[in-house]
Amino acid sequence: GAVVSQHPSWVICKSGTSVKIECRSLDFQATTMFWYRQFPKQSLMLMATSNEGSKATYEQGVEKDKFLINHASLTLSTLTVTSAHPEDSSFYICSARDPGRANTEAFFGQGTRLTVV
Amino acid sequence: AQSVTQLGSHVSVSEGALVLLRCNYSSSVPPYLFWYVQYPNQGLQLLLKYTSAATLVKGINGFEAEFKKSETSFHLTKPSAHMSDAAEYFCAVSPTQGGKLIFGQGTELSVKP
Repeated sequence: GAVVSQHPSWVICKSGTSVKIECRSLDFQATTMFWYRQFPKQSLMLMATSNEGSKATYEQGVEKDKFLINHASLTLSTLTVTSAHPEDSSFYICSARDPGRANTEAFFGQGTRLTVV
Repeated sequence: AQSVTQLGSHVSVSEGALVLLRCNYSSSVPPYLFWYVQYPNQGLQLLLKYTSAATLVKGINGFEAEFKKSETSFHLTKPSAHMSDAAEYFCAVSPTQGGKLIFGQGTELSVKP
């Protein structure tokens, strides 16, 4: 299957600072990537759909100005958590689809554990 | 709108016993259905998917699931549990194969020796 890589795997930051998380499709080009958030012992909630070369589509209730998404190339999407606060601490997971391969599902990165102190 | 309900947030079985994880969906269009497994602090690994072909879908690690339209269900089974099966399992639905996923609440599977 296709490989999606997230970086960093974990990050600790101070309250008020910003953190950038990268999601890369390593062996395919992804016109669309998805960002999910997962709280401990809970399910994954879709935050936004990232489209290459255009603005991301955010789900209802997700603050666009707080969670900045950039999809500047076909292999990279970034999620920046701005002015992070402890309540932003969570597990963030991205997924990407290979449009060049018919009948395939989206592939997931390994996730990024964000802790805001 | 599509949604997924997983019955039972926690399931415990003995090693060698049958594993049954329940998933019911609601969808206004023919759905794509998925089962994923997640180990602690890791991303999701696809176990299997239903894409309107065969209703009985076989996946990795001995898992399989049956799509039952009349029951709007897509339950996950494995004949004999292994200790390494202990993990969190998520059922998900999507209007397209590579589209955004709507996840169920997840079921934590414990396997007792």
